[in-house]
Parts: sequence; C-alpha cells; structure tokens
Amino acid sequence: DQQVKQNSPSLSVQEGRISILNCDYTNSMFDYFLWYKKYPAEGPTFLISISSIKDKNEDGRFTVFLNKSAKHLSLHIVPSQPGDSAVYFCAASADYGQNFVFGPGTRLSVLP
Amino acid sequence: NAGVTQTPKFRVLKTGQSMTLLCAQDMNHEYMYWYRQDPGMGLRLIHYSVGEGTTAKGEVPDGYNVSRLKKQNFLLGLESAAPSQTSVYFCASSHPGQAYEQYFGPGTRLTVT
Repeated sequence: DQQVKQNSPSLSVQEGRISILNCDYTNSMFDYFLWYKKYPAEGPTFLISISSIKDKNEDGRFTVFLNKSAKHLSLHIVPSQPGDSAVYFCAASADYGQNFVFGPGTRLSVLP
Repeated sequence: NAGVTQTPKFRVLKTGQSMTLLCAQDMNHEYMYWYRQDPGMGLRLIHYSVGEGTTAKGEVPDGYNVSRLKKQNFLLGLESAAPSQTSVYFCASSHPGQAYEQYFGPGTRLTVT
C-alpha cells in the first residue's frame, strides 16, 4: 500500500494560469515533505519543502500548502510557464531526511 | 564541480550476470542513496548510507548489495541480475544539516533480458 499518493497521473494547464498538484499521505509520522521536479533523461531536482510545523511555504512562483489533519499537501505554481512542464514528485520523511518515501509522480504539461 | 555522477549511463545484462553501478559525488556530502524508478511507482529507496563505512536497507533491498568504502563513492551491486531489476537507477546525496535536499545523478538505465 502506497504511503504517499499522487492520484492525478497527468495535468494540463494553459500558460499563465495556476497549476495545482496534489499529494496525499497515510503515515501520520511524516514530518517533512518535499517536491521534486524531473525532466526526461535527468535526475530529479529539489523544488520546495515544508516542515510539519508549518502550513505554507513560498518560494517565488511556487507555494506548498500542508493540511496535516487531512494528510494532504499541494503545490501551486503561479503563473505556470512552458518550462514547468515536467514530472513532479511529492516525497515525505519521518526522520528528517534519512529515509524518504516518494509518490508516483504527476506529469504537468503547460500549454503555450 | 560535477555534483553527482553515475557510471554507466546504460547497460544491458543477461539474467544471472552481475554488475556494479558507481555513484560519485564531489560535494562532501555525508548521506548517499540508491533509488530505482519504475513506471507508475515513483522512486523507491534500495539502500542508503549516512557515512563512510555504514549502509542501511531501504524499502526494496532484496537482490542488491552496497558499499561505501570512501565518502565520495557509493556502489550498488547486482550479484545475479533478474528481469525484475530492469529499471532506471538514481543515486543521490545530501548533507545531514540539509538532508531534505537530495542532489540526484542523471540515472542509469538497466535492462535485464
């Protein structure tokens, strides 16, 4: 049973609009969450993180929201750009980084 | 500064053959990780190391062995390859104080026939 779920395999958004990528988790011991972006034939690159003591973290066009009671987090990208087209992975840790569990990923396509 | 490098980039093995994947990092990171990525399953942790000479099992360790003899290198071995080990393998490293930010290599695509 997957502990980290990304129920939307793919998402298409028009350039300039908001992209919202969702992630759900089942393990209440998770205390740190990250988002990674992956382009084809490359390794994932770190995007943004959030600790369980916060409910929001912002970095430029990227904002991550955490709802601990619902065991849900989301990544907002505003405005979306064609270069944002990639696979986005949500990951969670219960031990501040020694061991991460990744979701299956959501492929985002930003249409010009 | 090359970051995290992986050797080789591609490999085709026959069932039963053995091979070693090499990961090297030049960022002086303490932590290193090996993941595999399969379609629809994200990245799954195989083994990891929190320092030179130490290793630990991840989520899917069976069929793999690892060694961390030098801080900058993390080796992943397949003693007797099986078709189920066909996958893309990623190595990553991180610093303990910033363990949430893992730096990934470009990946090794392995096919076992």
